Formats: sequence, C-alpha cells, structure tokens
Amino acid sequence: EAGVVQSPRYKIIEKKQPVAFWCNPISGHNTLYWYLQNLGQGPELLIRYENEEAVDDSQLPKDRFSAERLKGVDSTLKIQPAELGDSAVYLCASSRFGQDTDTQYFGPGTRLTVL
Amino acid sequence: GQQLNQSPQSMFIQEGEDVSMNCTSSSIFNTWLWYKQDPGEGPVLLIALYKAGELTSNGRLTAQFGITRKDSFLNISASIPSDVGIYFCAGRNPVNAGGTSYGKLTFGQGTILTVHP
Repeated sequence: EAGVVQSPRYKIIEKKQPVAFWCNPISGHNTLYWYLQNLGQGPELLIRYENEEAVDDSQLPKDRFSAERLKGVDSTLKIQPAELGDSAVYLCASSRFGQDTDTQYFGPGTRLTVL
Repeated sequence: GQQLNQSPQSMFIQEGEDVSMNCTSSSIFNTWLWYKQDPGEGPVLLIALYKAGELTSNGRLTAQFGITRKDSFLNISASIPSDVGIYFCAGRNPVNAGGTSYGKLTFGQGTILTVHP
C-alpha cells in the first residue's frame, strides 16, 4: 500500500511569490491533515478535512493561506504571498476516519525556503 | 492554548544504554502518542496509549499514560544506532468533545536522540 505522497519535496521561492503544495493521502483514508513544522519544533495542525469538508481550520492564517480538497481525495495547500517566516516543513497526514484509535500516517513533507 | 513540555531536548548516549524521555501537559488528554521522525521524513507512530495508567510495549520501547492524564513517558532499552532520530510526544483531544478541536493532535517540541556506537 502506497503511503502519503507529497510534492514537491523541496521548494525555494522569493518572498511575495505564491507557492502550492500537493498531497495525495493513503487510498481509502477519509481524513486529511496539513501540518506546519518549524525547525526544532513539533508539527502544528493547520487544517483538517473530513472528506471534502474542512472541519477544523482554526489555525490556518486565512489572510495568506488557503487549502482545498475538492473531490475528497487529494489536497492542495497554497500560500500567497509567501513571507520569510513561512520557511518550514509542510506535512500532510491522513487517517481512515479520524477516530480516536485511528493512526495518522504522515507524508515526507515539503521543505519550503523563502528568500 | 494547550502546551506540551517534552524533556530532555536532546540526549547523547552510548549504544546499549537505556533512554527515558517524558512529556507533561497543562491540560488533560484522552490519548497519548509517541512518534519518531527521521531526517527528511514525516513522523512515524511508535506507541499509542488510550487509558490513564496504561503501560504499553513495542519491542524495546515502553510507554506509559500518566494517571493524571497530563503526562506520559517513553523508555527505550538497550539502544542501537538506528534509534537515532527525533522523538515526539503528542496528546489528542477526544473525538466527540465537540467544537472544532476534536481529534486534534498537540505535539511536544521533540527529543533529539544521538546514539554513539
């Protein structure tokens, strides 16, 4: 079974430019998460989807960040415009139903560098 | 918001030694999880704990869910070089708690483990 796929793995952009990250969860997983991981820190949840519905986006900076999961499968996270402080690793994770006992499987992440 | 304090921040040990790390919270969690993250990869689940007082083992790893539900520890026995990595604790809110935070994982800052052969 394929794991969570993310692309690109690395991205370097100049500040004020837009950037997008793509995630394909494990087949059959209804719940998808986007996390932000700063250097030396644990992941922090940005947004959680149940199928195509964003059920928790309280930590997403909506002035510059947006996300979509139109068909309830793969998802895109966008930043426009990017700022220097956005440099971090963006992790995607999925779980089958989002239940207490469900394991969240993480992708390898996209490392973003904003110059 | 909820905060997890994980300690120690880093450890340098010799192969064969035992390792212990812990996590404390300012609030109660219903689930405690321990993850390991290798460079350039996402975190991988090691152990999940669902009941206060629960003690669970996975090979050389043992973890416990504190009685107060505000803490957890992870022990690694007889460390080997492949144990090198960053270990994260995470607490999870109950799924049916209501509101928008249900099911949310809150991670600690991580413990960097280095094992010298």
